[in-house]
Amino acid sequence: AAGVIQSPRHLIKEKRETATLKCYPIPRHDTVYWYQQGPGQDPQFLISFYEKMQSDKGSIPDRFSAQQFSDYHSELNMSSLELGDSALYFCASREGGVEAFFGQGTRLTVV
Amino acid sequence: AQSVTQLDSHVSVSEGTPVLLRCNYSSSYSPSLFWYVQHPNKGLQLLLKYTSAATLVKGINGFEAEFKKSETSFHLTKPSAHMSDAAEYFCVVSDSGSSNTGKLIFGQGTTLQVKP
Repeated sequence: AAGVIQSPRHLIKEKRETATLKCYPIPRHDTVYWYQQGPGQDPQFLISFYEKMQSDKGSIPDRFSAQQFSDYHSELNMSSLELGDSALYFCASREGGVEAFFGQGTRLTVV
Repeated sequence: AQSVTQLDSHVSVSEGTPVLLRCNYSSSYSPSLFWYVQHPNKGLQLLLKYTSAATLVKGINGFEAEFKKSETSFHLTKPSAHMSDAAEYFCVVSDSGSSNTGKLIFGQGTTLQVKP
């Protein structure tokens, strides 16, 4: 069965650079979530989209933005990267409010 | 507002002995509850879910959880631990009554160590 696809799997950026993370949800899923997981931390909610509209916003810095496109894939754009942005970024998709399926994550390292 | 508390940050058991990972939740609405497992450097995998049907939920790999509304608990159990169960476990609540999206709120996680 198709799963949630995230790309890239690993990304290394320098401070003050920008990064774009992509998420391809499971077909027909209407909701996409983005989470950030720092080392040894639980996942922190960043932002979510329902039917291509932003539906909820969590602890997402102003330097980050996200959108969901007409084909339902989503992108998380991160600018002016800081060392503290180094983390595992998860995307999840969901249909009808039942369980969410998570991608393998993108590990971002800022040096 | 909804929240999740995992009562143990670290649990250590011997292989073949029972596992108990504790979770308490707080929710204003009828919650949906989940347990996810995360192996090192891996994504999050759903173990089981409660969505207002049977209170005793069976999941994958022999795990079970019981929803107890009176105790606001959703503890995860397994009769006999296997070495491959060593991982990080997250209890998650989704406030299904508040919106279509039902934002997922994670507990702090419990690290399960299985000793030979």
